[in-house]
Amino acid sequence: EVQLVESGGGLVQPGGSLRLSCAASGFTFSSYNINWVRQAPGKGLEWVSYISSSSSTIYYADSVKGRFTISRDNAKNSLYLQMNSLRAEDTAVYYCAPTVTTIEYWGQGTLVTVSS
Amino acid sequence: QPVLTQSSSASASLGSSVKLTCTLSSGHRSYIIAWHQQQPGKAPRYLMKLEGSGSYNKGSGVPDRFSGSSSGADRYLTISNLQSEDEADYYCETWDSRVFGGGTKLTVL
Repeated sequence: EVQLVESGGGLVQPGGSLRLSCAASGFTFSSYNINWVRQAPGKGLEWVSYISSSSSTIYYADSVKGRFTISRDNAKNSLYLQMNSLRAEDTAVYYCAPTVTTIEYWGQGTLVTVSS
Repeated sequence: QPVLTQSSSASASLGSSVKLTCTLSSGHRSYIIAWHQQQPGKAPRYLMKLEGSGSYNKGSGVPDRFSGSSSGADRYLTISNLQSEDEADYYCETWDSRVFGGGTKLTVL
């Protein structure tokens, strides 16, 4: 059974930092490209960042470029998102989502709240 | 990059059928998309991957009531014999998951 467990969310002040993690199991993690996708309260799904299976290709949404860094450790079946200079508009549930052309699995997400 | 367009809302009666549409922008008609369902308060759930040919592959445990089809730039999700639990937001996505439609909120009457 595929499991994706996101963690690391919480309440942080504007300008602060958080590091999200995603622990994966039940599939060949190292074969999948993976995305971080977020959903602000009451809003739709928004793509945040993409990393290829070997980490050779990385993309960011314009809204987070220069502030967020995606990485992965295939030996640990884990994905990370380092989030710096956080803003109120980054408040959302963050999901890790493995993709083969499209997303095939979703985790339960971790909530990030940026507020003073 | 492609753009996906979805109607913001749809409604249909319990036990009836509904067809939701996701339209690809010009120049991207051949793209594969996926449909996802998000019930209130829950994480999204993968429903199916849908090709321009109309061929689709459903995720594990997705009921037979859910099917997909395509016509040109349009990708459809048809739900038959609507149940109360089908009331949810439905999203399409494409381009290695870097593009999402705005979502359609389905109300079951």
